Amino acid sequence: DVKVTQSSRYLVKRTGEKVFLECVQDMDHENMFWYRQDPGLGLRLIYFSYDVKMKEKGDIPEGYSVSREKKERFSLILESASTNQTSMYLCASFHTGGSQPQHFGDGTRLSIL
Amino acid sequence: QKEVEQDPGPLSVPEGAIVSLNCTYSNSAFQYFMWYRQYSRKGPELLMYTYSSGNKEDGRFTAQVDKSSKYISLFIRDSQPSDSATYLCAMRIGNQGGKLIFGQGTELSVKP
Repeated sequence: DVKVTQSSRYLVKRTGEKVFLECVQDMDHENMFWYRQDPGLGLRLIYFSYDVKMKEKGDIPEGYSVSREKKERFSLILESASTNQTSMYLCASFHTGGSQPQHFGDGTRLSIL
Repeated sequence: QKEVEQDPGPLSVPEGAIVSLNCTYSNSAFQYFMWYRQYSRKGPELLMYTYSSGNKEDGRFTAQVDKSSKYISLFIRDSQPSDSATYLCAMRIGNQGGKLIFGQGTELSVKP
């Protein structure tokens, strides 16, 4: 079974802090994704990566950056956290050419005070 | 207009009812269609995965795709309280790096 692990389930930070969210997958997937999930808005894609050191902007990249130094790990960075970044953050991975679509982690509920 | 529209509910049904969940979409290029189930405080888990038009059945769950109407459905037969969750439809164009477009999700509650 594919496992996508997000390092924290709950996180509380202050405005202006630099915040790191970590995601690790154990199935050698090339593609990894970061979403945020908000009531009434569904899942929105922030960034994705289709290979090590590669990244692509999603639909809402403003205020975020990402890092993919190793294939199994994809980090989301909030450079200077703001209250409107309070949300549920979900990481997912996907194998190119595989028979299954994205596998998700259990999410990090981030609160910015 | 959103690319994928899904009624957010909430939808409340008695145990044993047949549940119908639906999504409409605007982009005729979508070819792969998915339903994810998300329990509270958990990540989405894949429930059904279909390609192009037609029906797919898995136990109590049936997924239907009507590409001519740009409409997909998920039916749950003999619904159980354990089916209470948010159901997300998702779709993608070909194999574009796996990028998915999601509906808002429908919150379903099955009452004993």
